[in-house]
Amino acid sequence: QQQVKQSPQSLIVQKGGIPIINCAYENTAFDYFPWYQQFPGKGPALLIAIRPDVSEKKEGRFTISFNKSAKQFSLHIMDSQPGDSATYFCAADPRYSSASKIIFGSGTRLSIRP
Amino acid sequence: GAGVSQSPSNKVTEKGKDVELRCDPISGHTALYWYRQSLGQGLEFLIYFQGNSAPDKSGLPSDRFSAERTGGSVSTLTIQRTQQEDSAVYLCASSLSYQETQYFGPGTRLLVL
Repeated sequence: QQQVKQSPQSLIVQKGGIPIINCAYENTAFDYFPWYQQFPGKGPALLIAIRPDVSEKKEGRFTISFNKSAKQFSLHIMDSQPGDSATYFCAADPRYSSASKIIFGSGTRLSIRP
Repeated sequence: GAGVSQSPSNKVTEKGKDVELRCDPISGHTALYWYRQSLGQGLEFLIYFQGNSAPDKSGLPSDRFSAERTGGSVSTLTIQRTQQEDSAVYLCASSLSYQETQYFGPGTRLLVL
């Protein structure tokens, strides 16, 4: 199966809160899991990514948690700010294998209230 | 250096007309990808190029859609006999080589009336 299931579809959080976006994949050939951030009128841009040999990666206020056995990963945004309001896409990428191609989740529209 | 550029940024056309969308990748990037993003939806893969060849055309939704890339650089996505369901944002991305990080352009917003 080639699906990547992302939830929730939309999320509203107060400033300073910790929004969490979840993704699940099915194909174990995927070996690289990026998150993309998209502002209105712009193309998606790579935010942070993780390989399955680690369980967590942190870059600034953004953290990916990865559960290889469950085939799930999530994005946490610490001390969220209104400027973080955007649509977030997870993806599963066969970066280091020969299988298939990158598959994107359906996106989460995040709104951070001041 | 310059990022991925796409033109036009917006296109309104009538049902049945043909449209051409253009993508200028980052200089030196050998891989180029086209995606479609419908309102509130995720990214639907259409086609990818490595150099001028397209090893994977599996995402093209119908034979009305075609794409070409010349000189290993600029790519054109053509939609013939447009239908209302073709209305979407068409995104182009490029990467240094296949399976490297993709850098996206701002997209072309296509509206078919």
